[in-house]
Amino acid sequence: KNEVEQSPQNLTAQEGEFITINCSYSVGISALHWLQQHPGGGIVSLFMLSSGKKKHGRLIATINIQEKHSSLHITASHPRDSAVYICAVRETSGSRLTFGEGTQLTVNP
Amino acid sequence: DTGVSQDPRHKITKRGQNVTFRCDPISEHNRLYWYRQTLGQGPEFLTYFQNEAQLEKSRLLSDRFSAERPKGSFSTLEIQRTEQGDSAMYLCASSLSVGEAFFGQGTRLTVV
Repeated sequence: KNEVEQSPQNLTAQEGEFITINCSYSVGISALHWLQQHPGGGIVSLFMLSSGKKKHGRLIATINIQEKHSSLHITASHPRDSAVYICAVRETSGSRLTFGEGTQLTVNP
Repeated sequence: DTGVSQDPRHKITKRGQNVTFRCDPISEHNRLYWYRQTLGQGPEFLTYFQNEAQLEKSRLLSDRFSAERPKGSFSTLEIQRTEQGDSAMYLCASSLSVGEAFFGQGTRLTVV
């Protein structure tokens, strides 16, 4: 079992839909990251969370430390949101990031 | 551009050759990480430096792999005697202590 599991693996949505991507982890963490990866490989950091909720534009990230679960929401989705979204955790025992396998999001016009 | 820079972006090499990749982190960041990502998978940790000290290495990092950060600024990752299984995207990230990590565009290695 992976330490970080994401669902769904693939998600197709119509433009304008509300999107949720989930991340569950099994280790103690000091922080959780949500990352976006476009074709070509570059990774962009969207959020770093240790508790509660953060919002940036149409993106919202939440984390429940007790349940070891985080969600990334995209409101009013747009085709340019199409990318792979990756959840990564920093364990309390170290500084490396452990990544989920990513969620491929496709938003159709 | 003051982000994390990786060079080259793409590398095609014949099996058995040596390759070296470079990463220039954000200048004030003291931590530098190397990760490897194969198609359809999330990145996997290879190694990290705090300043010039290599503090942790994954068991994925076989004897053929070596990484350096000689002056605590840029880093190099060398793969000797490349194998087809080394084909992957090699990602570099930097951060200020345990702050937010910033990633480079990656170096895509293809071993033929």
